[in-house]
Amino acid sequence: GAGVSQSPSNKVTEKGKDVELRCDPISGHTALYWYRQSLGQGLEFLIYFQGNSAPDKSGLPSDRFSAERTGGSVSTLTIQRTQQEDSAVYLCASSWDNYGYTFGSGTRLTVV
Amino acid sequence: AQSVAQPEDQVNVAEGNPLTVKCTYSVSGNPYLFWYVQYPNRGLQFLLKYITGDNLVKGSYGFEAEFNKSQTSFHLKKPSALVSDSALYFCAVRDDNQGGKLIFGQGTELSVKP
Repeated sequence: GAGVSQSPSNKVTEKGKDVELRCDPISGHTALYWYRQSLGQGLEFLIYFQGNSAPDKSGLPSDRFSAERTGGSVSTLTIQRTQQEDSAVYLCASSWDNYGYTFGSGTRLTVV
Repeated sequence: AQSVAQPEDQVNVAEGNPLTVKCTYSVSGNPYLFWYVQYPNRGLQFLLKYITGDNLVKGSYGFEAEFNKSQTSFHLKKPSALVSDSALYFCAVRDDNQGGKLIFGQGTELSVKP
């Protein structure tokens, strides 16, 4: 596609429910990154994929967070048993050379 | 560890005046530095980056940034601000370890008043 696509754009969920956030990177981009932007916070790195493998998961805040990538393309970030502190904008970026990054518009997650 | 700092939470500028948004960095090795802009309810848009070469980097929308190795700074500048430049600006450094993730500053809110 022309850009990085994220869905849904907005998600409201009840505390304790599981959510899945999707990122569709630019075709041919082998690197994919997830970030979280909380209100009043900067951008926090979560996880990096190179192809289908995730050599850097150091930013995942707890074991409730997981992510996968299939076919070297679409990635899904899953948050289990959501908490109110998970409310944030989740941004995805992709890159073909690990030096130029294109960001999606993000998913705004609200946990009520 | 790589890091960047944006010392100002907010910068206020009158339209037509020059603007500067500050960023300092701390890296081991060569610094690869970026500026992104975020408009309300939008993702991050790339403005410019420094990889190597000229210290003055020109980017999108008339923005430029000067890489200063001695002061470890990479300030974003524009000669004449527009009201439409009002947005949140992020400085970032590429982490050379493990795949080149970006490490972001806290962001600076730029407000340009008519």
